[in-house]
Amino acid sequence: DSGVTQTPKHLITATGQRVTLRCSPRSGDLSVYWYQQSLDQGLQFLIQYYNGEERAKGNILERFSAQQFPDLHSELNLSSLELGDSALYFCASSVGTDNQPQHFGDGTRLSIL
Amino acid sequence: EDKVVQSPLSLVVHEGDTVTLNCSYEVTNFRSLLWYKQEKKAPTFLFMLTSSGIEKKSGRLSSILDKKELFSILNITATQTGDSAVYLCAARDYAGNNRKLIWGLGTSLAVNP
Repeated sequence: DSGVTQTPKHLITATGQRVTLRCSPRSGDLSVYWYQQSLDQGLQFLIQYYNGEERAKGNILERFSAQQFPDLHSELNLSSLELGDSALYFCASSVGTDNQPQHFGDGTRLSIL
Repeated sequence: EDKVVQSPLSLVVHEGDTVTLNCSYEVTNFRSLLWYKQEKKAPTFLFMLTSSGIEKKSGRLSSILDKKELFSILNITATQTGDSAVYLCAARDYAGNNRKLIWGLGTSLAVNP
């Protein structure tokens, strides 16, 4: 158990809808990262927050947004969902922003019908 | 464009065999290389390598980084069925304020009894 908690485990929804994925980092970790993993593209970095502030940005679509709250949990919001958004979404956390390993949650599997 | 390439994509061995997984990278502002093991869910951290030529070891697993030739290898000796997983490597890009991990697609290892 990595100590990173993600909910829900699985989401099934239709195209055009909006969903929110939630992540609680390990105790003491200030950084939260969001990743998308699909079969053909591997792990794609979306965005990082550190202590409530956006720190780094990857290949995150404009339809997606995230935030980190004062209690350090984070939410990833996906809107106007398309079939291609079906994937496993991982959250990871680390203590700081520098050269440290990231620890992953079990992921949320998003299925778009 | 920065990238990480893993080979082979897939590997099937018998218990007791030794395997070597390869990871090459092209990252302009390289800082470190990380190895993860992904079974059914979350990637779990194995090693982080920062310096060339220094082997990191954990039980039957070991890894080394060559910063001149831009690659890393992960060795697993006396493989067991529990080693069956996807092994991911990621290179840390330390460019300015947008520091992130760039991931390979992984090597799928199946260890047969």
